[in-house]
Amino acid sequence: QKEVEQDPGPLSVPEGAIVSLNCTYSNSAFQYFMWYRQYSRKGPELLMYTYSSGNKEDGRFTAQVDKSSKYISLFIRDSQPSDSATYLCAMSADAGGTSYGKLTFGQGTILTVHP
Amino acid sequence: NAGVTQTPKFRILKIGQSMTLQCTQDMNHNYMYWYRQDPGMGLKLIYYSVGAGITDKGEVPNGYNVSRSTTEDFPLRLELAAPSQTSVYFCASRVSNTEAFFGQGTRLTVV
Repeated sequence: QKEVEQDPGPLSVPEGAIVSLNCTYSNSAFQYFMWYRQYSRKGPELLMYTYSSGNKEDGRFTAQVDKSSKYISLFIRDSQPSDSATYLCAMSADAGGTSYGKLTFGQGTILTVHP
Repeated sequence: NAGVTQTPKFRILKIGQSMTLQCTQDMNHNYMYWYRQDPGMGLKLIYYSVGAGITDKGEVPNGYNVSRSTTEDFPLRLELAAPSQTSVYFCASRVSNTEAFFGQGTRLTVV
């Protein structure tokens, strides 16, 4: 079983739709959760960063973490064609612990928002 | 600040050749990582380092070596290139439990 599972999609939605992206994980030591966006032929860029359980909102983006279910989500409201990219979830345990801050990624979900 | 800089951006290697992928960061980050990304496969960790002189294997270390003699530099060495090493390689760095910053990647083809 992979430590982090992410539905690779691809996902195609019309402009203005609400997009839901999800990851599940198996390592209960994970405490830090991130979502990265990667445009074609570019490096990943951080979109959202959360610690432990809860919600975080930034503009059209909302990240949710449910540690009891080992499940994280990213919601994109009013999606735009410029949101078309690959979205990667990432997570890590405490860097001071035995994991030494390893950052584990999901497979990535390819999202296309069409006008 | 330049952030994380990777060189070269592109490279074609013949089977059996060797090369070093360079990675430099100017943010004084203690943690550095090397990932490879194959189509539809996400990012797989090759090696990582928690500080100068300390490195450890990730998920897919076979065929690669690393060193970390300074805080800034974390080169990745391929000794005997194989077609299975055709991939896009990303270097990243972070401070402890914060976000990771990525370079723009090195696109490597082994023929």
